[in-house]
Amino acid sequence: QKQLIQSGPEVKKPGTSVKVSCKASGFTFTTSGIHWVRQARGQRLEWIGWIVVGTGSTKYAQKFQDRITITRDMSTSTAYLDLSSLRYEDTAVYYCVADFWSGWFDPWGQGSLVTVSS
Amino acid sequence: EIVLTQSPGTLSLSPGERATLSCRASQSVSSNYLAWYQQKPGQAPRLLIFGASNRATDIPDRFIGSGSGTDFTLFISRLEPEDFAVYFCHQYVTSSGTFGQGTKLE
Repeated sequence: QKQLIQSGPEVKKPGTSVKVSCKASGFTFTTSGIHWVRQARGQRLEWIGWIVVGTGSTKYAQKFQDRITITRDMSTSTAYLDLSSLRYEDTAVYYCVADFWSGWFDPWGQGSLVTVSS
Repeated sequence: EIVLTQSPGTLSLSPGERATLSCRASQSVSSNYLAWYQQKPGQAPRLLIFGASNRATDIPDRFIGSGSGTDFTLFISRLEPEDFAVYFCHQYVTSSGTFGQGTKLE
């Protein structure tokens, strides 16, 4: 079945960077898109950005534009989210989600908790 | 940006009862590009409904989505114990999309 497996929890200091991975299986990675969405405690889900796996083309939410990079490695069917200049308010669960050109999000990775703490 | 507002924030019901969850958009959601997801504590969201009214694979027929334009509803006809969770809507008119704040069904 289609599955996304994410990397484990991270604890980072303010101002540093974090890289979260998302490994795909059960579908053709190169013909999909991968979105990243985050959920802070008690907050609604927030779209961060996405990558068209086949071309590597990316689109980012404006608020993250200057400190986010989404990449992919087609040889390992893995997508990555790199978030720099971390702030306390970046503490959240980060999800990767597959998109097969339908627009709706399915499946989701299990989530990766990123905690920003001094 | 399309803002989605869900109501109620919390819905208290018992197994066997019917649930009605609302999602209102700040502007029309074209082509009914609206989905519903279920999320249980500590788990990732699960797709229930896409295209406003189409059930995703393996979703029981007690989950019914309806609506168009700016007003959408998720009905759960006969609540099962496993249905108690948070539900949120998602519009995907653009690749970014936005989400509702969620309704907790307890």
